Amino acid sequence: QSALTQPASVSGSPGQSITISCTGTSSDVGGYNVVSWYQQHPGKAPKLLIYEVTKRPSGVSNRFSGSKSGNTASVTISGLQAEDEADYYCSSYTSTTTSWVFGGGTKLTVL
Amino acid sequence: EVQLVESGGGLVQPGGSLRLSCAASGFTFSSYWMHWVRQAPGKGLVWVSHINSDGTRTAYADSVKGRFTVSRDNAKNTLYLQMNSLRAEDTAMFYCAKLDGDGFDSWGQGTLVTVSA
Repeated sequence: QSALTQPASVSGSPGQSITISCTGTSSDVGGYNVVSWYQQHPGKAPKLLIYEVTKRPSGVSNRFSGSKSGNTASVTISGLQAEDEADYYCSSYTSTTTSWVFGGGTKLTVL
Repeated sequence: EVQLVESGGGLVQPGGSLRLSCAASGFTFSSYWMHWVRQAPGKGLVWVSHINSDGTRTAYADSVKGRFTVSRDNAKNTLYLQMNSLRAEDTAMFYCAKLDGDGFDSWGQGTLVTVSA
């Protein structure tokens, strides 16, 4: 089972916006609107940020937004804050194995 | 409040076995598919296994197929992962996660499995 492809790292300054991409195939990201995004701080469990491509769970800041085009999904974080510094993972259902797959993760550094 | 509490991790020799448990509370456990996700030290999240709400359907990552078995006891609100023939590359933090719709909305704190001689 191949992981979804994410950039290893991204960075931005406080107040700026950044976008993290997640590229898959027509069997996962492109074929289903079930992409989700997670934030993980060091030593902590992952936290759901976005589900079904664009939806935010209650309690998640509206600075986080999701989108998808073709086989690539993205999460955008606007108004970067120091506490946004973390690892970010995408996930999708995959029909290849009728299971789930994660991206390799992206480390966000707030400069 | 939803709570997932994993236990059962520890140090085991290569070829050994461990049984992980995930105690659930704060939601109707029997209504949800449950998953195991692992994370090797310094590495990313990797999906391991899932089980449907009544325990009749399971799936596994290729890397653990034939060695790991997921099960659940809905009367005890508990998810299990029986891990046999453990290898060094199985060393990881193991998380249980609840799937709600199409997102893993709740995660446990994780239990660390270390496979080493």
